[in-house]
Amino acid sequence: GENVEQHPSTLSVQEGDSAVIKCTYSDSASNYFPWYKQELGKGPQLIIDIRSNVGEKKDQRIAVTLNKTAKHFSLHITETQPEDSAVYFCAASFPSGGSYIPTFGRGTSLIVHP
Amino acid sequence: ETGVTQSPTHLIKTRGQQVTLRCSSQSGHNTVSWYQQALGQGPQFIFQYYREEENGRGNFPPRFSGLQFPNYSSELNVNALELDDSALYLCASSLWQGAEKLFFGSGTQLSVL
Repeated sequence: GENVEQHPSTLSVQEGDSAVIKCTYSDSASNYFPWYKQELGKGPQLIIDIRSNVGEKKDQRIAVTLNKTAKHFSLHITETQPEDSAVYFCAASFPSGGSYIPTFGRGTSLIVHP
Repeated sequence: ETGVTQSPTHLIKTRGQQVTLRCSSQSGHNTVSWYQQALGQGPQFIFQYYREEENGRGNFPPRFSGLQFPNYSSELNVNALELDDSALYLCASSLWQGAEKLFFGSGTQLSVL
């Protein structure tokens, strides 16, 4: 089955700095790569996603890059703010029986210091 | 538009008991998935329901079972609870077309003593 590795497990930055979280996946059948933000006491919230036919996608301060050959993808957050502090999860999804089955990474706890 | 709601928010059970968790999907969504999130881990896929039938299952034993109702709400049932079942159980709803985009509820925190 799919295996997703996520690094680092903890990331501490100063407000205004950039943050980068990296993930690798093992199954070349995976073709959809979402990123989720989970705040304390809440469920994960989709913040950005990318499909395997695209190399990069940007949404304001957040961007995701995908290297299909190397099977890795990354989340980039620029101009970090204290409200960006949360746990971030990457996932790799492959189509199965008409639906998609995601495998999540173990998460990165991002701490943004004011 | 109403979001995904789960009940109860917290639950304490003892080993060997049975538990039922409930989920109401987001308005307009017809597909429901359940996930187990252990402390410090990412969510793990349990199973997905579409048209009241199970469609896809992760690496969980048969004592984990589910239902989906005609209004697309869903239940997760766990029999013969074990200590390792202690976790946050998340429900996510989506559209079948576009099922990769998941909308999560806040979860049910289950503690098994």
